Amino acid sequence: DAGVIQSPRHEVTEMGQEVTLRCKPISGHDYLFWYRQTMMRGLELLIYFNNNVPIDDSGMPEDRFSAKMPNASFSTLKIQPSEPRDSAVYFCASSSSMGGLAKNIQYFGAGTRLSVL
Amino acid sequence: QKEVEQNSGPLSVPEGAIASLNCTYSDRGSQSFFWYRQYSGKSPELIMFIYSNGDKEDGRFTAQLNKASQYVSLLIRDSQPSDSATYLCAVSSPGGANNLFFGTGTRLTVIP
Repeated sequence: DAGVIQSPRHEVTEMGQEVTLRCKPISGHDYLFWYRQTMMRGLELLIYFNNNVPIDDSGMPEDRFSAKMPNASFSTLKIQPSEPRDSAVYFCASSSSMGGLAKNIQYFGAGTRLSVL
Repeated sequence: QKEVEQNSGPLSVPEGAIASLNCTYSDRGSQSFFWYRQYSGKSPELIMFIYSNGDKEDGRFTAQLNKASQYVSLLIRDSQPSDSATYLCAVSSPGGANNLFFGTGTRLTVIP
């Protein structure tokens, strides 16, 4: 399996622009997670989906952030408008509800490094 | 109180020594415990997971779990410079959900 695939790997944009981050989970995984990582705050959970349905979006910082999962193999995280404080590395991870206690294991994509100027 | 607490470090050990990384968690309902390693500029990768009290060994790595004390640790024997990374402790959400609570990580440096 190719693992979790994220695109783009790097994004540089100007303040006020719309940014869209993309994620393809591991085939067969029914959970998908979006995280943001900064030096100051560490790894923060933004939102997660189960079977394409958002379960908990309490980590989404504000209305400028939105996430969708139109099907089992694709999710997007959108920031509109972007601000310099959104600069961070954004990770997507997926997991499977099968496998007993091993179901909690999350597999991470390579991340998208976002810089908002 | 944060769900998962780790010493941020940095922790420095000489090559060949034992590195000990510690983690405490707040919710007794958590069932599964994980250690992820993250190299600088890379994504977290799973290195160990443990569900039962006691020790679990995998090569040079040993995870230890004490549910009564709500404590998880990771021991790295014969530390190598390639072990230099940030180690993230993660704890499952109680109640059966698939999400994890991550600590802020401990940065380990192994000095040749």
